[in-house]
Amino acid sequence: NAGVTQTPKFQVLKTGQSMTLQCAQDMNHEYMSWYRQDPGMGLRLIHYSVGAGITDQGEVPNGYNVSRSTTEDFPLRLLSAAPSQTSVYFCASSYLPRGVEQYFGPGTRLTVT
Amino acid sequence: GQQVMQIPQYQHVQEGEDFTTYCNSSTTLSNIQWYKQRPGGHPVFLIQLVKSGEVKKQKRLTFQFGEAKKNSSLHITATQTTDVGTYFCAGQEYGNKLVFGAGTILRVKS
Repeated sequence: NAGVTQTPKFQVLKTGQSMTLQCAQDMNHEYMSWYRQDPGMGLRLIHYSVGAGITDQGEVPNGYNVSRSTTEDFPLRLLSAAPSQTSVYFCASSYLPRGVEQYFGPGTRLTVT
Repeated sequence: GQQVMQIPQYQHVQEGEDFTTYCNSSTTLSNIQWYKQRPGGHPVFLIQLVKSGEVKKQKRLTFQFGEAKKNSSLHITATQTTDVGTYFCAGQEYGNKLVFGAGTILRVKS
């Protein structure tokens, strides 16, 4: 099992550009989520999904879009990148939405200039 | 909304010294999880606590969940250089989402 995979590992964008961060898992997990990590702020939930076709907002959803067309994939779209979106992004999955271990991907380091 | 506070933000210890990080929630939790993130890596699950007053051990690591289920601690005995990283707690209210603390960065001087 590859677990949770994320691409790309690094990305530099100019303000106003859009892009999609990819996330995939091969553990047949129903629950997937996106977090951003900023120094001194821990991991903050952006969006999550409890299954294919179902998504919902987390704590900091503005400027991001998600979709879940399959169980395996959960891409995160930045609609118009801003310097405030410079961060490390982690995708995570688990077989239940609560009370179980979250498996994290290796992360994407995004810089917006 | 639910908040999870974690202290200290940063701790630098001599190898062999003990280390403790504390986690406090503004609300009663159904469970609390602990994760470790090595420098440049991703968070990795360590343990989950569910019961009031629960204590669990993993080798040199001791995890406690408070009686009121609003606080937790992670204690490392006799730190080693392999313990370096950021330790996160993550609390979950009943029927709600996981909320992470800001993390404690541990540095170990050999």
